[in-house]
Amino acid sequence: AQSVTQLGSHVSVSEGALVLLRCNYSSSVPPYLFWYVQYPNQGLQLLLKYTSAATLVKGINGFEAEFKKSETSFHLTKPSAHMSDAAEYFCAVSPSGSARQLTFGSGTQLTVLP
Amino acid sequence: ETGVTQSPTHLIKTRGQQVTLRCSSQSGHNTVSWYQQALGQGPQFIFQYYREEENGRGNFPPRFSGLQFPNYSSELNVNALELDDSALYLCASSLENRGSEQYFGPGTRLTVT
Repeated sequence: AQSVTQLGSHVSVSEGALVLLRCNYSSSVPPYLFWYVQYPNQGLQLLLKYTSAATLVKGINGFEAEFKKSETSFHLTKPSAHMSDAAEYFCAVSPSGSARQLTFGSGTQLTVLP
Repeated sequence: ETGVTQSPTHLIKTRGQQVTLRCSSQSGHNTVSWYQQALGQGPQFIFQYYREEENGRGNFPPRFSGLQFPNYSSELNVNALELDDSALYLCASSLENRGSEQYFGPGTRLTVT
């Protein structure tokens, strides 16, 4: 069984500040981990993924995440927030290997303040 | 390269009715998954199809059914609609041999009254 916990349903940062969105996972097998972003009234866009290669993963739009097995975490960061980063962010886990179902967290709404 | 498309964008149905939602996979993808996203929640896995066969199912009742066609497009059918079926339904396509990287369509917003 797999599960994802996203700490903080709402996060607010000032433009130019560090963005940190937290994700902890539970998995009985080696996991694949993902971050997706969802803008209002749109589908999900893949930001980055961890598939058992490098533990520090770089994604699109300046985001990156670090897989820490000892902490069962996969937190998403961006050094400097931009107004266009305001959106809902979802962490997801799946069993490693071929395409399998994604188990999503409940999401974190990111607000960027001017 | 064409992305994942879904139709219709929105629809409104009455409790007890049946609905069919459609999805066209990204070019070259042979696996399609369907998710239900209720308002304010993360998506929940309904089922997955690989080469026209169901390849996994989440915790949804049998009145949720699906099909995948030889061109890898897909349908999600929901019978006996209930108010709680109101949600955004997302389709995602992927290549079976490319790990779990799934590409999502824009979704269909279903409202049941």
